[in-house]
Amino acid sequence: GAGVSQSPSNKVTEKGKDVELRCDPISGHTALYWYRQSLGQGLEFLIYFQGNSAPDKSGLPSDRFSAERTGGSVSTLTIQRTQQEDSAVYLCASSVSWNEQFFGPGTRLTVL
Amino acid sequence: SQKIEQNSEALNIQEGKTATLTCNYTNYSPAYLQWYRQDPGRGPVFLLLIRENEKEKRKERLKVTFDTTLKQSLFHITASQPADSATYLCALVSSGGYNKLIFGAGTRLAVHP
Repeated sequence: GAGVSQSPSNKVTEKGKDVELRCDPISGHTALYWYRQSLGQGLEFLIYFQGNSAPDKSGLPSDRFSAERTGGSVSTLTIQRTQQEDSAVYLCASSVSWNEQFFGPGTRLTVL
Repeated sequence: SQKIEQNSEALNIQEGKTATLTCNYTNYSPAYLQWYRQDPGRGPVFLLLIRENEKEKRKERLKVTFDTTLKQSLFHITASQPADSATYLCALVSSGGYNKLIFGAGTRLAVHP
């Protein structure tokens, strides 16, 4: 079946603009995670969804970052008033229970 | 805070040899640990999961050990091939009560013919 998909694959924006990143998880996966990966760094946890609820938002770097999930499926990560330090690859993953996480290909965000 | 350390230097080995990657962690006792492979421009791909009560896990040419006393996991690839060249990430489940993973920075492996 289809894996996790993310769009866009690449996004270039100007400092101060808002961006929306989309994640389509694997059908039936109730858990969804957003991570950020800067060049040469490990994955940094941002937020976790169980269904449409986000019990853990502890990784969001600032109040410019927000995320939602609708219908227990698609999730959108929004970054308002982007800054250059927001440039990174944003990865989405989904899973069932306490098992492996399935990752999407990521969205590479570049803030000029 | 929970911290994971992986060797940041690239590991270069000859084809056919065994590659051994190290993952050390501090300030935590995870219930389990996972290893992922990441190729350039792609998301990580799950390889193996090992639980705290398991000392060793094998899958084909892969072997993972988990020493909760040393707070260390070793990841071995036997009979390595150039296709095994990638970055390998260690991840521990956090204490948050769900499958929240804390990732190490990864070790890049290069297998030379």
